[in-house]
Amino acid sequence: EVLLLESGGGLVQPGGSLSLSCEASRFAFGTYALSWVRQAPGKGLQWVSAISDDGRNTYYADSVRGRFTISRDNSKNTLFLQMSSLGPEDTAVYYCARHSTAFHFDSWGQGTLVTVSS
Amino acid sequence: DIQMTQSPSTLSASVGDRVTITCRASESISSWLAWYQQKPGKAPNLLIYKASTLESGVPSRFSGSRSGTEFTLTISSLQPDDFATYYCQEYNSDFRTFGQGTKVEIK
Repeated sequence: EVLLLESGGGLVQPGGSLSLSCEASRFAFGTYALSWVRQAPGKGLQWVSAISDDGRNTYYADSVRGRFTISRDNSKNTLFLQMSSLGPEDTAVYYCARHSTAFHFDSWGQGTLVTVSS
Repeated sequence: DIQMTQSPSTLSASVGDRVTITCRASESISSWLAWYQQKPGKAPNLLIYKASTLESGVPSRFSGSRSGTEFTLTISSLQPDDFATYYCQEYNSDFRTFGQGTKVEIK
């Protein structure tokens, strides 16, 4: 069974930065694209960012472009999300998700909570 | 950007009811649509992809269909485990837009 384990969430002040990680196991990490998806408290799902299997192509939602950076280390089976200039609107549970070979999301991590507050 | 309009936002139903949730795309996405189920405090779980293909292990009471840019998730006979929130998601674009979600509540 695919395993995705997010970490790095926590409390950060407005304007601050935070880095999330998603450690993967039980599949060929370097052959799958991955995304970050977030969910604000009591709200719906919002796609945040995606990265191709080789890391060469990255994509961002308009709301985070220029502030967030997605990356991956295929040698360590780990996905990253570097977040900066954080605001209260970035408060959410952040999930990493694997893109299937048919491009939908077939596996999700359990999520890590990011709280932006003074 | 593609917009996904999901309805209703809340649905009250009883065990055994037939339930239908609709998602409309603002432009053509072919059949590149998935449905997910999410329970409180848990990650989403894939139900259906490519509009109508049932994910392995998902009960056959779940089905999906497409008519143009309108997509439907149907639960043929609602079970106690099905009370949850359901989301559609397009994956035709690079932005993977989700619908707003439909909460299925106990009537």
